[in-house]
Amino acid sequence: DQQVKQNSPSLSVQEGRISILNCDYTNSMFDYFLWYKKYPAEGPTFLISISSIKDKNEDGRFTVFLNKSAKHLSLHIVPSQPGDSAVYFCAASALARDDKIIFGKGTRLHILP
Amino acid sequence: EAQVTQNPRYLITVTGKKLTVTCSQNMNHEYMSWYRQDPGLGLRQIYYSMNVEVTDKGDVPEGYKVSRKEKRNFPLILESPSPNQTSLYFCASRPRGSLAGDLSEQYFGPGTRLTVT
Repeated sequence: DQQVKQNSPSLSVQEGRISILNCDYTNSMFDYFLWYKKYPAEGPTFLISISSIKDKNEDGRFTVFLNKSAKHLSLHIVPSQPGDSAVYFCAASALARDDKIIFGKGTRLHILP
Repeated sequence: EAQVTQNPRYLITVTGKKLTVTCSQNMNHEYMSWYRQDPGLGLRQIYYSMNVEVTDKGDVPEGYKVSRKEKRNFPLILESPSPNQTSLYFCASRPRGSLAGDLSEQYFGPGTRLTVT
């Protein structure tokens, strides 16, 4: 049973436009969400996170939105740059229960020139 | 520089030949874990360790062993590798705790690409 779902395996966006990566989760116990970015031949690196007590967190060009009622979060990248081409993993944790992190399958983002 | 190192980075081996992938971190983190990444399946946790001498199974532990004799090292052992263990493996470490900041301090190693023929 997949608890964190990224239903789009890939996404192509024109440079300078907004990239929106989506993630859905099924476990209502999740109270902390993270996005990781992964380049080829490298390990994933932490990008941005959000606690369930918030509905938005912003860090420069990256904003994560959380809709708890829909069990949905999204990562917005504005404006998209060539260096944003990577695989993005959505992840979630239930801090109140344990500190295990559950990852989605990832979305490959291609930024087109 | 804070880092997680893995060795080897690439390995081609044959079925049944025991192998060990080493993992070391220099951040004094309590929590270490191993993941495998497969196409269409994302990152799945194999084993984790909350501290020295404390290890536990993740989501896909079959065919793997780990040990945590020292805080900095967390080797992954394949006693009898099989072709279905061909994958990209990542070691990760972070502080242990139930603080949100601890989770965002997770660092991954560069990965080990293993091929079992």
